[in-house]
Amino acid sequence: AQTVTQSQPEMSVQEAETVTLSCTYDTSESDYYLFWYKQPPSRQMILVIRQEAYKQQNATENRFSVNFQKAAKSFSLKISDSQLGDAAMYFCALRGTSYGKLTFGQGTILTVHP
Amino acid sequence: GAGVSQTPSNKVTEKGKYVELRCDPISGHTALYWYRQSLGQGPEFLIYFQGTGAADDSGLPNDRFFAVRPEGSVSTLKIQRTERGDSAVYLCASAPAPRSEQYFGPGTRLTVT
Repeated sequence: AQTVTQSQPEMSVQEAETVTLSCTYDTSESDYYLFWYKQPPSRQMILVIRQEAYKQQNATENRFSVNFQKAAKSFSLKISDSQLGDAAMYFCALRGTSYGKLTFGQGTILTVHP
Repeated sequence: GAGVSQTPSNKVTEKGKYVELRCDPISGHTALYWYRQSLGQGPEFLIYFQGTGAADDSGLPNDRFFAVRPEGSVSTLKIQRTERGDSAVYLCASAPAPRSEQYFGPGTRLTVT
């Protein structure tokens, strides 16, 4: 079985500052993928960043980067230079090597203060 | 191009009624997934289609839930004898192949009164 845990129900950050969202996971598979999704009030799930477990280098996408600690089964998301448009629910998700079923965490609501 | 679309956007029904939720995937995507997202929670997997067949329906909560994809494109999630606990957002996602990036639709918010 796969599990994903997000222990921060809510986080807040000042505009232009940096915030880190935490995620831990558990899986018995040796190869897997990790994702961060953003879900604004429109409900549309948007992929923010992905990390292949076999890659040691942390993924980055513009202002978004991850800290992937495979041994600790930790996968945190860092948002730099936070913008008002970053406010949303953020989900960490895990996918094994089979057909693509995603296992999601409980989510973290991010508020960005002007 | 067009993304994944879901209809209706919102559905209110009475307890005990039957409902159908529709998903139109991105053209050419062979993999299709349904997830259920309860209020304040992350989405939970319901069922996965590869082509026309349900390759994994292990997430369906009980036999009141059923889904079809008869021509390998549009999928319909069917819920019989709805209960208040079925109230949730039902998300559909499609992918060009089973291990490719999933593209999500906007979801259908189902409310059972």
